[in-house]
Amino acid sequence: KQEVTQIPAALSVPEGENLVLNCSFTDSAIYNLQWFRQDPGKGLTSLLLIQSSQREQTSGRLNASLDKSSGRSTLYIAASQPGDSATYLCAVKRTDGGSQGNLIFGKGTKLSVKP
Amino acid sequence: GAGVSQSPSNKVTEKGKDVELRCDPISGHTALYWYRQSLGQGLEFLIYFQGNSAPDKSGLPSDRFSAERTGGSVSTLTIQRTQQEDSAVYLCASSRQGAYGNTIYFGEGSWLTVV
Repeated sequence: KQEVTQIPAALSVPEGENLVLNCSFTDSAIYNLQWFRQDPGKGLTSLLLIQSSQREQTSGRLNASLDKSSGRSTLYIAASQPGDSATYLCAVKRTDGGSQGNLIFGKGTKLSVKP
Repeated sequence: GAGVSQSPSNKVTEKGKDVELRCDPISGHTALYWYRQSLGQGLEFLIYFQGNSAPDKSGLPSDRFSAERTGGSVSTLTIQRTQQEDSAVYLCASSRQGAYGNTIYFGEGSWLTVV
């Protein structure tokens, strides 16, 4: 059974720091991995989508990497800003017969960037 | 509209009552997803619709839960005889075709409280 874990559950950093959020998954047979952002009381916003054949994706100050063999992904945020404060979730799409809709989510890392 | 629209945004209901939650996907998106997010828990897959294919209902937690999608667009999630453990945020999402290589867009959720 695919399980997705995100550590730490919460992280507080001063503004301007570079930081890394971690996501691990137990089954390397995935189609893709997505990182999402969730603000309090809001839905999820997709940040980056990495296909299983890719190693990384970049968007602005965000860089996501994927190492399927070790079951890990990292989300790197450069020069963090208070506006980056949110919960960050990763999700994997498995290849074991689940429908395309069945993404497996981690519980997220709650990031707080202090001014 | 520009995004996924969900209604109601908040619903308080008495135990044993039925509730209906509505989702309007982004125009042109053929894939529609329902997830549930309970306090302190990760997102839990409920059901997935893709075009005219039979929906993947494998995530529905009990036969009290059902969903339909009319005309390939609007979807309604129905919970019958609500229980307190049904209290959660119900998130709807849509994407072009399936999830393999397509960004998934989430609505802001319907917050359900069963008292």
